[in-house]
Amino acid sequence: QKEVEQNSGPLSVPEGAIASLNCTYSDRGSQSFFWYRQYSGKSPELIMSIYSNGDKEDGRFTAQLNKASQYVSLLIRDSQPSDSATYLCAVKFNKFYFGSGTKLNVKP
Amino acid sequence: DVKVTQSSRYLVKRTGEKVFLECVQDMDHENMFWYRQDPGLGLRLIYFSYDVKMKEKGDIPEGYSVSREKKERFSLILESASTNQTSMYLCASTLVSSNTEAFFGQGTRLTVV
Repeated sequence: QKEVEQNSGPLSVPEGAIASLNCTYSDRGSQSFFWYRQYSGKSPELIMSIYSNGDKEDGRFTAQLNKASQYVSLLIRDSQPSDSATYLCAVKFNKFYFGSGTKLNVKP
Repeated sequence: DVKVTQSSRYLVKRTGEKVFLECVQDMDHENMFWYRQDPGLGLRLIYFSYDVKMKEKGDIPEGYSVSREKKERFSLILESASTNQTSMYLCASTLVSSNTEAFFGQGTRLTVV
């Protein structure tokens, strides 16, 4: 069974700080990696996707992938209270496999 | 704009009822998925379909079946609803290509009483 592991949190950071979210996966054949944000009672929405080793930046968000270590992370710079949500790591290998999510609280 | 639509946002059913959850996508995606989401357990895959009339069991298929008669529609069926099937159900779709994300419907909060 393919596994995606995340720390469930909650991760608390002050407004303006950098939030760092981490994810490990078990299958070396995994092809694509995604971060989704999910607000309470809502469905997941895509934040970032990353397919090759290294960093990918989009505004305040940076995704990092290290396939050798089977590790993917999401950095959120200048965190805002509106970033408070659960962040889901997803790995695609034909199907999508999701971690259980990390709950992020950004304190004003 | 991409759209995945689930037939109901909230649903209350009685134990033993047969329940149908419908999902429609307008993006011509080959792959469609049904997940359930429970606190602390994340998204767990119930069933996956990669083409019309083609399906594959996910991690927790017991008590569920699916139907995909048309490419755009993927139905989840609870043959005899039980209280432990009370959950949030999420439908998603994606292209076969590996570098494409999953698009989610708005979710159905099912309560079985």
